[in-house]
Amino acid sequence: DTEVTQTPKHLVMGMTNKKSLKCEQHMGHRAMYWYKQKAKKPPELMFVYSYEKLSINESVPSRFSPECPNSSLLNLHLHALQPEDSALYLCASSLEGGAVSTDTQYFGPGTRLTVL
Amino acid sequence: AQSVTQLGSHVSVSEGALVLLRCNYSSSVPPYLFWYVQYPNQGLQLLLKYTSAATLVKGINGFEAEFKKSETSFHLTKPSAHMSDAAEYFCAVSGRTGANNLFFGTGTRLTVIP
Repeated sequence: DTEVTQTPKHLVMGMTNKKSLKCEQHMGHRAMYWYKQKAKKPPELMFVYSYEKLSINESVPSRFSPECPNSSLLNLHLHALQPEDSALYLCASSLEGGAVSTDTQYFGPGTRLTVL
Repeated sequence: AQSVTQLGSHVSVSEGALVLLRCNYSSSVPPYLFWYVQYPNQGLQLLLKYTSAATLVKGINGFEAEFKKSETSFHLTKPSAHMSDAAEYFCAVSGRTGANNLFFGTGTRLTVIP
């Protein structure tokens, strides 16, 4: 099983709402990632968790708050977002916890977020 | 710092023709390079990766890529295009600063003409 699942598939929220994105993998991977992908652009790294600890935060605004409750689950909590935050949010996982640069990252299908 | 440049944001080929998608890298150390494909409204799927073993790397769906250090290139090829190959293709380089973070090129959209 090489599947990363993400819920919901689509999310529409207002600027005052609080919502969460969920990502799950059962491959025993120890690194998990959040990427943001704007239309017709490449994915941009937001956060990396390695062995359930936040190892990289690419200067992401605090209105995005990641959480890794266990090694299989990764959440992204959203609060007071702006319309420019509308994008496809991709989750990925890889076997080793961060230090192995050759590891394949397995991507989920993404959550398409629209902020009104 | 590592980066990749993809030449050509759009490439069109006829069904059955050769596919060539270009990627050049910039790296102060030997890079680890990846090609990913993204179909509409889906996540990314790994096609192949170069990890400093064989310079000719074979991937899924008949794709392959050759690492050429002298040209700092890692172009993706497929001998005969299928309609199902129409997608967005991303070249990526892995950071080597103790973290497995990928830096993606701007992508190439492949169109296959019947």
